[in-house]
Amino acid sequence: DTAVSQTPKYLVTQMGNDKSIKCEQNLGHDTMYWYKQDSKKFLKIMFSYNNKELIINETVPNRFSPKSPDKAHLNLHINSLELGDSAVYFCASSIDRGNSPLHFGNGTRLTVT
Amino acid sequence: AQSVTQPDIHITVSEGASLELRCNYSYGATPYLFWYVQSPGQGLQLLLKYFSGDTLVQGIKGFEAEFKRSQSSFNLRKPSVHWSDAAEYFCAVNTGGFKTIFGAGTRLFVKA
Repeated sequence: DTAVSQTPKYLVTQMGNDKSIKCEQNLGHDTMYWYKQDSKKFLKIMFSYNNKELIINETVPNRFSPKSPDKAHLNLHINSLELGDSAVYFCASSIDRGNSPLHFGNGTRLTVT
Repeated sequence: AQSVTQPDIHITVSEGASLELRCNYSYGATPYLFWYVQSPGQGLQLLLKYFSGDTLVQGIKGFEAEFKRSQSSFNLRKPSVHWSDAAEYFCAVNTGGFKTIFGAGTRLFVKA
């Protein structure tokens, strides 16, 4: 039973399109995150949600819109995709904040052509 | 603002040799410290964490890390590396909020 699962695993699309990535965790955690990993493996936090409330929005373009319908789900919708959006997007969850380790999904590799 | 530095982009060690991966952080107090490992095509997996207390912490897969306040460091070590340890290793810090910051990662290559 996968703890943090995200779909799809691969996403190839053209510039200007709109796409969504879904994430679900079955760990009963209160906090969920989206991280972006670029081609140099650098991981940058995008959003964090706690109990469905947006806590952190790290100066991400408003083309990116996260939605948390419940504590177990955090989806990411991206409008008007650009070449620079190509990356691996990771969903993660944690029990709470701070000293809680992150549990990661296996990532979604987004390629914008 | 806090930051994490992993000075080595990549390291190559022979199988059976010891390993040390360096991590330095910048923060006024002691943050929560973590090491994660990422295998190709996978998400990150927690190796170990430090919050307080004993400065030498043990993790999974035979890894350990030592917190040194005076050097603002949290270096990862393993006495004897196995070929399966080849992966990307990330040091991370959290200062108590909802934001965990990662270092740039160190790629470990293991040669036979």
